[in-house]
Amino acid sequence: GAVVSQHPSWVICKSGTSVKIECRSLDFQATTMFWYRQFPKQSLMLMATSNEGSKATYEQGVEKDKFLINHASLTLSTLTVTSAHPEDSSFYICSARTSAQSYEQYFGPGTRLTVT
Amino acid sequence: EDKVVQSPLSLVVHEGDTVTLNCSYEVTNFRSLLWYKQEKKAPTFLFMLTSSGIEKKSGRLSSILDKKELFSILNITATQTGDSAVYLCAVASVRGKLIFGQGTTLQVKP
Repeated sequence: GAVVSQHPSWVICKSGTSVKIECRSLDFQATTMFWYRQFPKQSLMLMATSNEGSKATYEQGVEKDKFLINHASLTLSTLTVTSAHPEDSSFYICSARTSAQSYEQYFGPGTRLTVT
Repeated sequence: EDKVVQSPLSLVVHEGDTVTLNCSYEVTNFRSLLWYKQEKKAPTFLFMLTSSGIEKKSGRLSSILDKKELFSILNITATQTGDSAVYLCAVASVRGKLIFGQGTTLQVKP
């Protein structure tokens, strides 16, 4: 089946620093990847849609200069949280669409970010 | 505004019971409806439904979509403690964007 990995699985950083999270599709090429954020006991909130070779599309209210997304290849998308603050602490999850003809999305295992 | 609503929000049953989880939606540009199971980490894919009235089945889980009434159900028969999880319903819209419901938390007691 379709496998998506994320790295790191958890990270602790200090306020003001930047953190990069990687999302990889391991056994398929993903032209589109998605980044979500999830707060405790809440559902997933889409942050942005990442298309290989083009700029990401951000959802309303998501700061594109704070959450930098790069989709440099068909198997890798990265999310960089810049100048992190404690309120950025959250569970970040990526997903990948298996093809342009299918709406199936497979999720990575998630990254727990804690900003101190 | 697009929305996906799940019910109930939480459910407690005993092993062996059958449960039905509901998902209703109001989404422009509907493409597909997907069900996921989320335990401690990220959601795992269960089903994708695109056509009305065609049941999808995997072991003790089954799901069906009604595009006229704009809802889907997820059935779990002979529940086991390992079925305890949050079940998420999502609707795929244009460009594959998923709109999630709030989730149903299922607890199966021994």
